[in-house]
Parts: sequence; structure tokens; C-alpha cells
Amino acid sequence: KQEVTQIPAALSVPEGENLVLNCSFTDSAIYNLQWFRQDPGKGLTSLLLIQSSQREQTSGRLNASLDKSSGRSTLYIAASQPGDSATYLCAVKGLPGGTSYGKLTFGQGTILTVHP
Amino acid sequence: DTGVSQDPRHKITKRGQNVTFRCDPISEHNRLYWYRQTLGQGPEFLTYFQNEAQLEKSRLLSDRFSAERPKGSFSTLEIQRTEQGDSAMYLCASSFQGRGQGLFGPGTRLTVL
Repeated sequence: KQEVTQIPAALSVPEGENLVLNCSFTDSAIYNLQWFRQDPGKGLTSLLLIQSSQREQTSGRLNASLDKSSGRSTLYIAASQPGDSATYLCAVKGLPGGTSYGKLTFGQGTILTVHP
Repeated sequence: DTGVSQDPRHKITKRGQNVTFRCDPISEHNRLYWYRQTLGQGPEFLTYFQNEAQLEKSRLLSDRFSAERPKGSFSTLEIQRTEQGDSAMYLCASSFQGRGQGLFGPGTRLTVL
């Protein structure tokens, strides 16, 4: 059974700092990995999606890397801003033909606070 | 299409009552997923549909829960005889087949008193 773990559970940083969020998964047979942002009481917003054949994806100040063989992904946020404060979730999707294909297995999230 | 929509956004009910939530997916998406998220946790898979067929149900979906997608478009999730442990955010997502990133709705926050 796939399990996803995120470290740290919470992170508080001053504005302008670069930071790294970590995600690990137990089964490397994944189709893709996705990072989401969730604001309090809201739904999920997709930030970056990395296919299993890719090593990284970038969008603006965000960069996500994937090391499938070791079961790890990192989300790098450059020059953090107070507006980045939210919960960040990583999720993996299983391979086609498998029981996990299509559905996502989530980590518990990292609560990020960026203070001015 | 403006995205996946869910109704209601918030629901407060008393223990023992029945509740029903609705999800309207992206129109061309044939897959629809339901997830449940409790406070401080990531979402957990409940069930999914491909068109009108319910293809998988998690063990989290007790017999008090039932989901339907009668015409392969919108879906409903009903909880009978609600319990305080049912209090959570119920999220719906849709995608075309199992590919792509899928899109999530804003969720329905259920509070059982």
C-alpha cells in the first residue's frame, strides 16, 4: 500500500527566505507526483505535476524535483512571500493497470507560514 | 465550464440526520473522484466513477455512505445517520480517464453536532 510522508509538518520563515518542503513515498511505481496548495477551509490548487519520467518541473518561484528510485520529491520555493502561507500537499498517482491508477495518495501536508 | 463545483459549500447537521452533497465535474471529464479530508490530514480517497460506473470504493466508505453518478455527469454523495466522526471536508475531483492532473472542487465542509 502506498504511503506518503511530508516533512516538516509545519514551517515558519521570514519573508524573502528560500525554503524546501520534502515528500517521500514508499512505492516507487508511480505514474506522476503532484504538489498542491490549500488555503484554510478551501479546496486544492495544483501547483506542479511531475511525470514519472521527469526529474523536475518549474513554475515561477516554484521548483519541484522527483527522484523516483529513492521515493522522494522536494518543492523549492524561492524568495518566499507572506502570500505563500498555506498548506502544501504532495500526492502520487499509481501506474495504469494498477489498483491505484487515477486516484491520488496524499501526504498529510506541510503548513507554511511566511511572516513579514 | 468554470471548473468543478460542489454544493453546498458548508453543511451543519445533527447526529443521526442524513445529508447529501453534489458535485458537478468538468463536462468532458469522464472520471469523478470523491475524497475526504479531516482536520490536519491530507485528503483520503473514498470512491471514483468512470462515466456512470462506480469502479472502486475505499474501505473508508462504510455502508452509511452511498455515491451515485446516474447519467455520467454530476455525482451525489449521501451519508445516512451521520456521526460526529463524519465531520470533514468532502472534496470532489474530475479528470479525463486517469490521465492528467485532474481538477478539484472547492469542497463541502460538513460539521456534525
